[in-house]
Amino acid sequence: DAGVTQSPTHLIKTRGQQVTLRCSPKSGHDTVSWYQQALGQGPQFIFQYYEEEERQRGNFPDRFSGHQFPNYSSELNVNALLLGDSALYLCASSLPAGTGYSPLHFGNGTRLTVT
Amino acid sequence: DAKTTQPPSMDCAEGRAANLPCNHSTISGNEYVYWYRQIHSQGPQYIIHGLKNNETNEMASLIITEDRKSSTLILPHATLRDTAVYYCIVPDYNQGGKLIFGQGTELSVKP
Repeated sequence: DAGVTQSPTHLIKTRGQQVTLRCSPKSGHDTVSWYQQALGQGPQFIFQYYEEEERQRGNFPDRFSGHQFPNYSSELNVNALLLGDSALYLCASSLPAGTGYSPLHFGNGTRLTVT
Repeated sequence: DAKTTQPPSMDCAEGRAANLPCNHSTISGNEYVYWYRQIHSQGPQYIIHGLKNNETNEMASLIITEDRKSSTLILPHATLRDTAVYYCIVPDYNQGGKLIFGQGTELSVKP
């Protein structure tokens, strides 16, 4: 049973560039959430996708956008990269909150470095 | 803001029980307490959750006080591989169940 998979594992970009990160949820899960984790900090919620729509959003600028596909996989896009966007980006999947208390299953993240 | 407070760090001897406390004094009656841990360079891993009764699974036990204002995660026989940051979280199900992570407790298991 494959868990949450993310690609790539590491990425180096230059300020001002754009980046796309990818996530495949755990089998049977249809809700995907994205988190940003700066060094030494706890993960911060970016947004959540369910039924191909953004359902919840954290305190992140519009430079951060996402998409969910019919197969439940998801992408996180970040435009106009800043040095402060350097972080570990985590994807988590779950059953919809309305179906009960479904724990989040996290991938191992994509380490993004902006130079 | 996170609804929970935890000590920033703890040490535990290998083979002994690790008891990690968490305060969640503003928890509502229908809100669960979840515990996750994050081993270095990995994503957070779900451990256990509970509402008001004590819970046990293959990884840990969760003891919730009767007033539900605090809880303790117990790793009965800590190993070096249990060294990690442990997060106690109360999800906000009015906001889609998103997790608000605090700083967690950095547990160091020492030989």
